[in-house]
Amino acid sequence: DADVTQTPRNRITKTGKRIMLECSQTKGHDRMYWYRQDPGLGLQLIYYSFDVKDINKGEISDGYSVSRQAQAKFSLSLESAIPNQTALYFCATSDSVRQGGEQFFGPGTRLTVL
Amino acid sequence: GEDVEQSLFLSVREGDSSVINCTYTDSSSTYLYWYKQEPGAGLQLLTYIFSNMDMKQDQRLTVLLNKKDKHLSLRIADTQTGDSAIYFCAESINDYKLSFGAGTTVTVRA
Repeated sequence: DADVTQTPRNRITKTGKRIMLECSQTKGHDRMYWYRQDPGLGLQLIYYSFDVKDINKGEISDGYSVSRQAQAKFSLSLESAIPNQTALYFCATSDSVRQGGEQFFGPGTRLTVL
Repeated sequence: GEDVEQSLFLSVREGDSSVINCTYTDSSSTYLYWYKQEPGAGLQLLTYIFSNMDMKQDQRLTVLLNKKDKHLSLRIADTQTGDSAIYFCAESINDYKLSFGAGTTVTVRA
């Protein structure tokens, strides 16, 4: 079984709809992240969480919210989706980046907002 | 990814060596990383190098780091069709954040 799973894998929705993307991990890591990937722009950090009670905004948090329901679960919500939120979204987990700790990525969710 | 720059495309013949280059801006970065993304999949860590090293070799992969020029490269020897993917360079900005480049799409042709 995959260590980091994301649901759904693909989603097409309409402008103004509320969308939730879910992430679960079996790595036992405290740190979890949400990124979006746009062609030619690499990965941009949306939100990150050090533990269940510690949630922080990343570079591009506007229009997004998150919930850390448990150590293993971190969900990303788009309260009112807009077309420029069409992107590939990745969840990741890690122990600590500074000590050379690897970030483990989920397979991604492809979101299209019409 | 504006702090980390890499070329967007590389085409290489099967069996040749591939070299992917990256420049970064944060001189305090402790670790620098290479991630690989295959079609339809997430990113997987290929290798990383600690900032006090100038070279790291792991089987077909060689990472070279020039701290003075803030230049990182990844060489893949004997490139195979399975090496076709997007390769991301990343630097550790602080204890939690990685800054990624835009990714280099490597295409291996027969």
